[in-house]
Amino acid sequence: GAVVSQHPSWVICKSGTSVKIECRSLDFQATTMFWYRQFPKQSLMLMATSNEGSKATYEQGVEKDKFLINHASLTLSTLTVTSAHPEDSSFYICSASRSSLDTQYFGPGTRLTVL
Amino acid sequence: GIQVEQSPPDLILQEGANSTLRCNFSDSVNNLQWFHQNPWGQLINLFYIPSGTKQNGRLSATTVATERYSLLYISSSQTTDSGVYFCAVGGAAGNKLTFGGGTRVLVKP
Repeated sequence: GAVVSQHPSWVICKSGTSVKIECRSLDFQATTMFWYRQFPKQSLMLMATSNEGSKATYEQGVEKDKFLINHASLTLSTLTVTSAHPEDSSFYICSASRSSLDTQYFGPGTRLTVL
Repeated sequence: GIQVEQSPPDLILQEGANSTLRCNFSDSVNNLQWFHQNPWGQLINLFYIPSGTKQNGRLSATTVATERYSLLYISSSQTTDSGVYFCAVGGAAGNKLTFGGGTRVLVKP
């Protein structure tokens, strides 16, 4: 149990376009989902925490107008990178947990390349 | 916020060797997890271990919360153990995790 999926697994887009990444908890209800970004050979950096039905909480330095997060149901959260630029190219990973006391279960990640 | 440091940053092992990875953290934690990130980027939960000792096959982990460190032991290493091992900790702010820099492990046949 506790499977998290992400779609797409990879995406290439042109500079200036928007890209949406989906994160789904397949066999449990996730009250909280997290979005991370990982640059090559670096660690995971938390971007935002998303609770179902409420606005996401962004970490310091993360532009909320650029990285739009929606958590409309207990099994789905989306991250939209708006007006993407080459510096947004990265590996984006989501995780989900049943509650604030539960461990996080990670998705397989989405590799974004902006040309 | 909590600072998490992992050592060593890189580790090369001969197949069959044993090794110890360390995670130091700067404050009290309610949550500590070890992960293995495979070459495709998938994070695999290894241990949820805010304190105490756990074992799972050839892997075991020990967290000494009072001294703010955790150790991950890999015994009889195999080539499939290659990848990056991350320690991540969570404090009082819900289950938000702060990741260490990782230890990149290469096991040679």
